[in-house]
Amino acid sequence: SQQGEEDPQALSIQEGENATMNCSYKTSINNLQWYRQNSGRGLVHLILIRSNEREKHSGRLRVTLDTSKKSSSLLITASRAADTASYFCATVRFSGSARQLTFGSGTQLTVLP
Amino acid sequence: DTEVTQTPKHLVMGMTNKKSLKCEQHMGHRAMYWYKQKAKKPPELMFVYSYEKLSINESVPSRFSPECPNSSLLNLHLHALQPEDSALYLCASSQADLRRDPTGKNIQYFGAGTRLSVL
Repeated sequence: SQQGEEDPQALSIQEGENATMNCSYKTSINNLQWYRQNSGRGLVHLILIRSNEREKHSGRLRVTLDTSKKSSSLLITASRAADTASYFCATVRFSGSARQLTFGSGTQLTVLP
Repeated sequence: DTEVTQTPKHLVMGMTNKKSLKCEQHMGHRAMYWYKQKAKKPPELMFVYSYEKLSINESVPSRFSPECPNSSLLNLHLHALQPEDSALYLCASSQADLRRDPTGKNIQYFGAGTRLSVL
């Protein structure tokens, strides 16, 4: 089952603009991750933020986490056409020695050249 | 090598066929996963193998039968599928050993998927 919702469902911006995507989740978490998926392909891990962190940066990516509101946001700065993809947040749940990812509903980002 | 290889890339099968999807990784990961993804939806977990043992089955119909013959390989056997089973099937792997992943990050590495069409 889906852990949470992402908004917007779809986002279209011009190259060079910033893109912000939001994710909400329902249960307590150990960490929250963001993944990217190019059309019809596998997912690629982008960035992880732990539950005791509030902000994390990686290149043009900035992730924030507000555990009191059970929400996270992903900011992509200075977007490029190559950033066009679907972006999913995912939360980790422990089940014995296995750990599960539960994905949000995703945001389809289109960056226009 | 951070690659997860899935074969075939595309598969068309009839409802009476038996086929298998294959997944391989050589990263020493001891957790492997099958996901099903419908168009414009997030991946949905089907099965988790941890140390070659099935640890999670998310109430998947028995027409899907997973198999983990060794620590590098994961198969998904398909039999008597329905048209609604048409989807992208993704395999992923991650560290399962807490000694190698003590913080429980569970970063998963995904294959490119098998696009399955059931006629």
